[in-house]
Amino acid sequence: GQQVMQIPQYQHVQEGEDFTTYCNSSTTLSNIQWYKQRPGGHPVFLIQLVKSGEVKKQKRLTFQFGEAKKNSSLHITATQTTDVGTYFCAARGSARQLTFGSGTQLTVLP
Amino acid sequence: NAGVTQTPKFQVLKTGQSMTLQCAQDMNHEYMSWYRQDPGMGLRLIHYSVGAGITDQGEVPNGYNVSRSTTEDFPLRLLSAAPSQTSVYFCASSPVTTDNEQFFGPGTRLTVL
Repeated sequence: GQQVMQIPQYQHVQEGEDFTTYCNSSTTLSNIQWYKQRPGGHPVFLIQLVKSGEVKKQKRLTFQFGEAKKNSSLHITATQTTDVGTYFCAARGSARQLTFGSGTQLTVLP
Repeated sequence: NAGVTQTPKFQVLKTGQSMTLQCAQDMNHEYMSWYRQDPGMGLRLIHYSVGAGITDQGEVPNGYNVSRSTTEDFPLRLLSAAPSQTSVYFCASSPVTTDNEQFFGPGTRLTVL
């Protein structure tokens, strides 16, 4: 089945520093979604990218979809303690199913 | 709208016991799915349904059954619980397919002794 590699697994940053998580696939993706899961909570949808080279911004969050539609990144500028959680990418290939990356757990130190 | 609801929130089973995890949504979504979440492994798809009466297997279906008799409900049955099924289980729904935002329920934390 389709595999999506997500790195890093953990990231500790000082409040105010930037943070980036990456997702990579060996196959071309139809779309990619990003989710955030707060500690003890459930995944919450952030955004979906569909087009090659697409870049979308949500306040301090910037999402990119690679030109070849095989990779994506989420960048947070000037992290805040409210950014704490695990960030997952979820990719759809040719099948109907979403394949989730293993997630990046972000810790923000005050 | 309550969104996606799951019951119970917590459950402890003994090896060999069976049980059903309940999932319901009130958004008239066609697509529903079950995931399990284990540390360091993200969310893995167990079963999914594209509409009432239609179900299919995901990545890790062994030991689980599902049915979809109504649009609203998508129960997950553990036939004979094993310690390897200790996990957090999430149900999710979306309007049509995985091309849409997935709405997740609050999860069920299951421990099998």
